Amino acid sequence: KNQVEQSPQSLIILEGKNCTLQCNYTVSPFSNLRWYKQDTGRGPVSLTIMTFSENTKSNGRYTATLDADTKQSSLHITASQLSDSASYICVVAQTDSWGKFQFGAGTQVVVTP
Amino acid sequence: DGGITQSPKYLFRKEGQNVTLSCEQNLNHDAMYWYRQDPGQGLRLIYYSQIVNDFQKGDIAEGYSVSREKKESFPLTVTSAQKNPTAFYLCATYPGSGANVLTFGAGSRLTVL
Repeated sequence: KNQVEQSPQSLIILEGKNCTLQCNYTVSPFSNLRWYKQDTGRGPVSLTIMTFSENTKSNGRYTATLDADTKQSSLHITASQLSDSASYICVVAQTDSWGKFQFGAGTQVVVTP
Repeated sequence: DGGITQSPKYLFRKEGQNVTLSCEQNLNHDAMYWYRQDPGQGLRLIYYSQIVNDFQKGDIAEGYSVSREKKESFPLTVTSAQKNPTAFYLCATYPGSGANVLTFGAGSRLTVL
């Protein structure tokens, strides 16, 4: 069973609207949680990194939240643009384990005019 | 992509052939990783290396081999023993433990004819 579950699997939104993506994880021990944006056919690009003590972090129109108690994170996209069309991947790092990044399957976002 | 070069971008292989994917970095990061990405699935770890001349198997190492003779380079060979090699391959680097960015290359798409 995947230790990082993302929802929804895909969504379509109108340009200018907001949306929220969800990430639930069971990874333990927990070190930090990351959100990445991946354009089709390209490598993922980091949006945010949050440690156990951080509840929210923003990067432009992207705002990530973390509730380490319930093991849930969300990524909120404000005033979506056509360039936001991509897959958004949640990644959880385990403490003291160099190779142990656990990846969600991603949420495919399509922004339409 | 910043500082990680993967080549080739696209590669076609006949069944029974070995192919090597190149990954070069100028970020001076200690750790390097190879991941495989298939549609609808999270990234899966093939191999990773923390230091020169040392590497560890990931979750799906069968049919793959690597070397780490230089800090900057971590090539991946997809051997004929890999039953279903058609996929998108991503190389990544990491400076060390903690909330540092796991940086990805642009990826290599391998198709078996």
